[in-house]
Amino acid sequence: GAGVSQTPSNKVTEKGKYVELRCDPISGHTALYWYRQSLGQGPEFLIYFQGTGAADDSGLPNDRFFAVRPEGSVSTLKIQRTERGDSAVYLCASGGSYNEQFFGPGTRLTVL
Amino acid sequence: DQQVKQNSPSLSVQEGRISILNCDYTNSMFDYFLWYKKYPAEGPTFLISISSIKDKNEDGRFTVFLNKSAKHLSLHIVPSQPGDSAVYFCAASGNSGGSNYKLTFGKGTLLTVNP
Repeated sequence: GAGVSQTPSNKVTEKGKYVELRCDPISGHTALYWYRQSLGQGPEFLIYFQGTGAADDSGLPNDRFFAVRPEGSVSTLKIQRTERGDSAVYLCASGGSYNEQFFGPGTRLTVL
Repeated sequence: DQQVKQNSPSLSVQEGRISILNCDYTNSMFDYFLWYKKYPAEGPTFLISISSIKDKNEDGRFTVFLNKSAKHLSLHIVPSQPGDSAVYFCAASGNSGGSNYKLTFGKGTLLTVNP
C-alpha cells in the first residue's frame, strides 16, 4: 500500500510570501502529525490531528503557521508572511497503531 | 532545553562489527522510546521501539536497551552492514493525553559502516 506522501518535494519562495504544504497520510490512519526539521537538528513537533480536529497545536512557533485537515485525511500546513528562519524540511507523519508514526519524505522549504 | 540527547554526532564502524548508538533523556514522563533511521532526501523510517516497562527489545540484528534509572537507552546493531549507514534518531513520547503520541527527537547520530 501507499505510504505517506507530501507535495511539493521542494518549495522555494521569497520572504513575505504565503505557502501551502500538503500531506496525504496512509489510508485509514486517523492520527496525523506535522514536524519541522532544521539543519543539524532532529524533527520538532508542530501539530497533531486526531480526525479533523487539531488536538494539539502547541508546537506551532507563532500565528503565521496554521494547519487544517477538513475531511480527516489530507492535511495542509499553511505559512503566512514567510521568513528566512522558516527554511527547513517539513515532515508529515500518520499514525496507526500505538506510538508508531510513519513519515513522508518531507517538503524542503527555502525562503530567500 | 533538549529533553532527548544524542551526544555523538557521528560513529564509524567496520562491517561485521557491532554498532552502539546512545541516547539520554531528561523527562521522566516519557514512557515509550523509538529509534528511526533516515537516509538523505527521505523521511525517517521506524526501526524499533521499547516501552518503559521493558528493559530490552530485540528485532533481528537490532536490539534496544533501556535503563530507566539512568534515563539512558542504546541501540545495538550486530552485525553491522554497509546498508545500515544512515542517520539514526532516538525519539520519545509520553502521556500527552488521549491518543496523542507526539515525539521528541534527539539531533541524530550519523552511522557509517565501512566495508
